[in-house]
Amino acid sequence: EADIYQTPRYLVIGTGKKITLECSQTMGHDKMYWYQQDPGMELHLIHYSYGVNSTEKGDLSSESTVSRIRTEHFPLTLESARPSHTSQYLCASSRNRGSYEQYFGPGTRLTVT
Amino acid sequence: SQQGEEDPQALSIQEGENATMNCSYKTSINNLQWYRQNSGRGLVHLILIRSNEREKHSGRLRVTLDTSKKSSSLLITASRAADTASYFCAWGYNDMRFGAGTRLTVKP
Repeated sequence: EADIYQTPRYLVIGTGKKITLECSQTMGHDKMYWYQQDPGMELHLIHYSYGVNSTEKGDLSSESTVSRIRTEHFPLTLESARPSHTSQYLCASSRNRGSYEQYFGPGTRLTVT
Repeated sequence: SQQGEEDPQALSIQEGENATMNCSYKTSINNLQWYRQNSGRGLVHLILIRSNEREKHSGRLRVTLDTSKKSSSLLITASRAADTASYFCAWGYNDMRFGAGTRLTVKP
């Protein structure tokens, strides 16, 4: 099992609420990623980070923000949740050099009502 | 998918049979990876093949890569019920892209 954690695992929230999904890893990895995945579908990259104070936009970044103040922590914030945000959110990390293998957390399943 | 394709989308086989999944991608790559996802969980890395490799083995897994056709295949030999999962190919460096996945069901 990879040492990467996501909380909460499940979240049901009303439209318009601000939410933060937490992701932490204890492997000392520089790179971290957020993906959105609808059930049975492909993963879409939302944001990624090369390291502390680095954040980059992916394909679905326009409605969320991330921060990377500490190496081990990469939270994702939705300023105003909408039903279209209902999905599974996966966090991953990888070493900066060598193998590009990504280690994934268990995911947060978000439902916006 | 705008990122790549995997086929078949779904595959159902009996235990002991071999399963083959194919992946096509759209960009130049340094390497291509395969991941497995059990229902509702995160992905687990299976194998990585570099762009200068044509074939790689790991246990019951065999991966091939054809960079001229921008395609890869994953073969699982002697499948088991525990292999039931979705399988994704992935490529990229900083901004990893994933295929749409193949849902494999192995019947006992």
